Amino acid sequence: GENVEQHPSTLSVQEGDSAVIKCTYSDSASNYFPWYKQELGKRPQLIIDIRSNVGEKKDQRIAVTLNKTAKHFSLHITETQPEDSAVYFCAATMSGGYQKVTFGTGTKLQVIP
Amino acid sequence: EAGVAQSPRYKIIEKRQSVAFWCNPISGHATLYWYQQILGQGPKLLIQFQNNGVVDDSQLPKDRFSAERLKGVDSTLKIQPAKLEDSAVYLCASSFRQSMNTEAFFGQGTRLTVV
Repeated sequence: GENVEQHPSTLSVQEGDSAVIKCTYSDSASNYFPWYKQELGKRPQLIIDIRSNVGEKKDQRIAVTLNKTAKHFSLHITETQPEDSAVYFCAATMSGGYQKVTFGTGTKLQVIP
Repeated sequence: EAGVAQSPRYKIIEKRQSVAFWCNPISGHATLYWYQQILGQGPKLLIQFQNNGVVDDSQLPKDRFSAERLKGVDSTLKIQPAKLEDSAVYLCASSFRQSMNTEAFFGQGTRLTVV
């Protein structure tokens, strides 16, 4: 089955700096890669996603890049703010008869004011 | 649109007792997932339904966990008997399309503590 590794497990940055979280996946059949943000005690919520036919996607201060050959994808947050502090999960999804989603282990991001 | 509803929000039980969680997905969503999230870890899929049929329960500990989705809408997840290691947040999620890659919407979760 699919295996998703996520690094780092914790990340501290100064407010205004950039943060990068990296994920690798094992199954080349995966073709959809969502990123979820989970604030303390709350539900995971989608913040950005990318499909395998696209190499990069940007939405304001967040961007995601995908390298299908190397089977890795990354989340980039620029100009970080304290409200960006949360746990971020990447996921790799493959479709066939049904959608199969495998999550990474999460990255706890702390933005220091 | 209304989100995924779960109840209860919190539950404390003693080991060997039984417990049930309820989930009401977003209206029209054919796919329903139950995830177990242990503190500090990513969500782990327990079972996935497509309408009222199970499509993946490979990681469900079937000796103690069971789930059903009667009529293809609401779902219940049951643990009987509970063990200490079952302490976790149980997340329900739903998505619209059956085989296309689409976003999963999560409920608030049920935090289970087994003592």
